[in-house]
Amino acid sequence: DAGVTQSPTHLIKTRGQHVTLRCSPISGHKSVSWYQQVLGQGPQFIFQYYEKEERGRGNFPDRFSARQFPNYSSELNVNALLLGDSALYLCASSARGFQETQYFGPGTRLLVL
Amino acid sequence: AQKITQTQPGMFVQEKEAVTLDCTYDTSDQSYGLFWYKQPSSGEMIFLIYQGSYDEQNATEGRYSLNFQKARKSANLVISASQLGDSAMYFCAMREGIRGSGNTGKLIFGQGTTLQVKP
Repeated sequence: DAGVTQSPTHLIKTRGQHVTLRCSPISGHKSVSWYQQVLGQGPQFIFQYYEKEERGRGNFPDRFSARQFPNYSSELNVNALLLGDSALYLCASSARGFQETQYFGPGTRLLVL
Repeated sequence: AQKITQTQPGMFVQEKEAVTLDCTYDTSDQSYGLFWYKQPSSGEMIFLIYQGSYDEQNATEGRYSLNFQKARKSANLVISASQLGDSAMYFCAMREGIRGSGNTGKLIFGQGTTLQVKP
């Protein structure tokens, strides 16, 4: 079975632009979580979605938003990009979200210039 | 506040030897989960092992074992018979406990430990 997939793998944007990152969970998984990993640090939780509803939000500004589709795939949107948004964005899927192990995708590396 | 501390920024180990990566945690929850993930230079976080707070026995998965000492709030990862492919960043993470329907099960990560296996 395919693991978690993310697209694109790499992205370069300029300050002020908007970006959309995509994630497809493992087949059968209904929960998707997003994490931001800045270079040299551990991942930080951004959002979790389960059955298309937001279950949790981390300490990120409103420029960050996400949604989950009926097929359980998910998008993370970031508006008005800042240099500090440069990071590896990781998507993780789990069967339900709160008691199962989260399995991560390969990530999207975003560079904001 | 919940927190994970990994005090070893970098570790070296000789191939075929065992190595222990340290992790301490802080939580007021009675129910929680502890995880170890491996992150190679490619970036993907690979799940290695899980320990529940109520599990009485230490978790093992192949060459990986988790030395869980609840009273000390430590969850060290032991890798036996190190291989060159074990060279990577290793993260300890904690899943918050159940707090009603609002629980997300989000993971809280430490800063990571870089492991280099020498031939």
